[in-house]
Amino acid sequence: AQSVTQLDSHVSVSEGTPVLLRCNYSSSYSPSLFWYVQHPNKGLQLLLKYTSAATLVKGINGFEAEFKKSETSFHLTKPSAHMSDAAEYFCVVSPGGYQKVTFGTGTKLQVIP
Amino acid sequence: GAVVSQHPSRVICKSGTSVKIECRSLDFQATTMFWYRQFPKQSLMLMATSNEGSKATYEQGVEKDKFLINHASLTLSTLTVTSAHPEDSSFYICSAMAGGQSTEQFFGPGTRLTVL
Repeated sequence: AQSVTQLDSHVSVSEGTPVLLRCNYSSSYSPSLFWYVQHPNKGLQLLLKYTSAATLVKGINGFEAEFKKSETSFHLTKPSAHMSDAAEYFCVVSPGGYQKVTFGTGTKLQVIP
Repeated sequence: GAVVSQHPSRVICKSGTSVKIECRSLDFQATTMFWYRQFPKQSLMLMATSNEGSKATYEQGVEKDKFLINHASLTLSTLTVTSAHPEDSSFYICSAMAGGQSTEQFFGPGTRLTVL
């Protein structure tokens, strides 16, 4: 069994300030973890993924996430928010192979000018 | 990189009609594709897993006779919403896995279905 919890449904930050989107997971396997971004009325874009290599993963657009097994967390961060970062972000856990993935409930990021 | 397309991107239909949505992997072969549904301001919910050459596996609560899935080739899966009703209005997204050691799913851009 696996599950994903995104602790915040909404996060609001000022432009130029750091971003922290929290994600905790549980899995019976050694999972792969992903962060996706979805802009309004658009599909999903992969930001970054963890697949048991380096625990600190760098993604596109300046985002990064750190896999912490002891805390079962995979929080997404960015040092400085940009207006174009305003979107919905989904944390996803995959047990691997062709098994189905599990989506978190999403965090809507608002960036205030 | 791996690209997945969906067609159409938007469709508006009358209640009682059927709508077909196509999902294509453009530059890789996908033995497994997934269909998701997303209601407004909600997360993606897996509807079914589509395997090339075999019957789709539906999630609990998803009517297989209403949401017909065909995965006729390694690059194409179709979702047909039969006798659509307004409550079927939603954003439908497909994804495809390239297989092998990769666990990444590549998502299509989605199809916005509006049933009048």
